[in-house]
Amino acid sequence: GAVVSQHPSRVICKSGTSVKIECRSLDFQATTMFWYRQFPKQSLMLMATSNEGSKATYEQGVEKDKFLINHASLTLSTLTVTSAHPEDSSFYICSARDMERLFFGSGTQLSVL
Amino acid sequence: EDQVTQSPEALRLQEGESSSLNCSYTVSGLRGLFWYRQDPGKGPEFLFTLYSAGEEKEKERLKATLTKKESFLHITAPKPEDSATYLCAVQASTDSWGKLQFGAGTQVVVTP
Repeated sequence: GAVVSQHPSRVICKSGTSVKIECRSLDFQATTMFWYRQFPKQSLMLMATSNEGSKATYEQGVEKDKFLINHASLTLSTLTVTSAHPEDSSFYICSARDMERLFFGSGTQLSVL
Repeated sequence: EDQVTQSPEALRLQEGESSSLNCSYTVSGLRGLFWYRQDPGKGPEFLFTLYSAGEEKEKERLKATLTKKESFLHITAPKPEDSATYLCAVQASTDSWGKLQFGAGTQVVVTP
């Protein structure tokens, strides 16, 4: 099946710093990628839709200035958590569409101290 | 408002003890219903997509079925390696493709 690579798998940072997470589709081109967030024992919540060559679409309640998304190519989308705070600590997961299936990356556990 | 409810929240099975997981949904036009498996600290692994009532799909010990209001994931003669959280998600026809609404999941533990 299609492979979506996400990096890093785990990051610990100090409050106030910015963190960039990469999501790559390895064997297919993805014009659209999605970013989800998952808190412990909870389900995945869609944060934003990343469109290649255009601005991302954010879900209600998600701050676009805090969660910067760039989809510069057909195989790469990045999520930057700017000025991270402890409440941003969560599991971030990207996904990409291949035909009629949606594949997910392995996730990034962000811990903000 | 679109809703996805999974039950039970947790399920403990003996190896070989078959069971079913339920996913009830309310959506304004169903584009597709998805089942994923998620292991701790990992991203969801795609299992099935169902599109219309009456559709069934199978993969090894798993079988997914769909009605107009719910979907079932049947696990036949489970093995310990089937232990995971199983997630159900729906995509509404009014949403762009790939925008999924997930249920909270059913955590399955299969003991030898």
